[in-house]
Amino acid sequence: NFMLTQPPSVSGSPGETVTISCTRSSGNIAGFYVHWYQQRPGSAPITVIYEDNLRPSEVPDRFSGSFDTSSNSAFLTISGLKTEDEADYYCQSYDTTSPVVFGGGTKLTVL
Amino acid sequence: QITLKESGPTLVKPTQTLTLTCTFSGFSVGAHKEGLGWLRQHPGKAPEWLAIIYWDDDKHYNPSLRNRLTIAKDTSKNHVVFTMTNMDPVDTATYYCAHRRRVRFDHWGPGTLVTVSS
Repeated sequence: NFMLTQPPSVSGSPGETVTISCTRSSGNIAGFYVHWYQQRPGSAPITVIYEDNLRPSEVPDRFSGSFDTSSNSAFLTISGLKTEDEADYYCQSYDTTSPVVFGGGTKLTVL
Repeated sequence: QITLKESGPTLVKPTQTLTLTCTFSGFSVGAHKEGLGWLRQHPGKAPEWLAIIYWDDDKHYNPSLRNRLTIAKDTSKNHVVFTMTNMDPVDTATYYCAHRRRVRFDHWGPGTLVTVSS
């Protein structure tokens, strides 16, 4: 089994850019899609990025995804921060034996 | 448009069996490559996947809970039923059903809080 490690919290001011990392403990980050979910308090998660860097049509293009094989990490970048972006963010991936693995989540605070 | 909704008891006693139903629209769990999963989330924690069922009745269970879980589909009613036996207070959580698209969950129900208490 592998793990996905996220920073517990990040913060930024309106208009700034923040990046949330998701580091895979074993297995190649490039070999298995990473998805990102946003969860506001009291609501179910919604997809903001899927298959590493694809964005659902309803998600603003301020959200983008990427990965880096040297650090075996995926990244969610949010530019032009808005107060409405304040939420918990979870990465999720899989492998041949574990169909679903979530990261521990990152709380984004917009100052 | 895909929508899902969880239904079932909000309170169960320790040792009882939890049965939840996911009622959905916008897809058929009998259609090729469709799937549906159950997940739960403890307060302040990441979601935890529990079970997934696919159009061909292929089922996957979280290994850590496998012996307590059952998932089944009723294609004619657009229902998927989930059961978890021998409930314990640590199973108190919000339970979600979600549409499984390839290797992600692209649509989630609103969730239902299940409390385990005597």
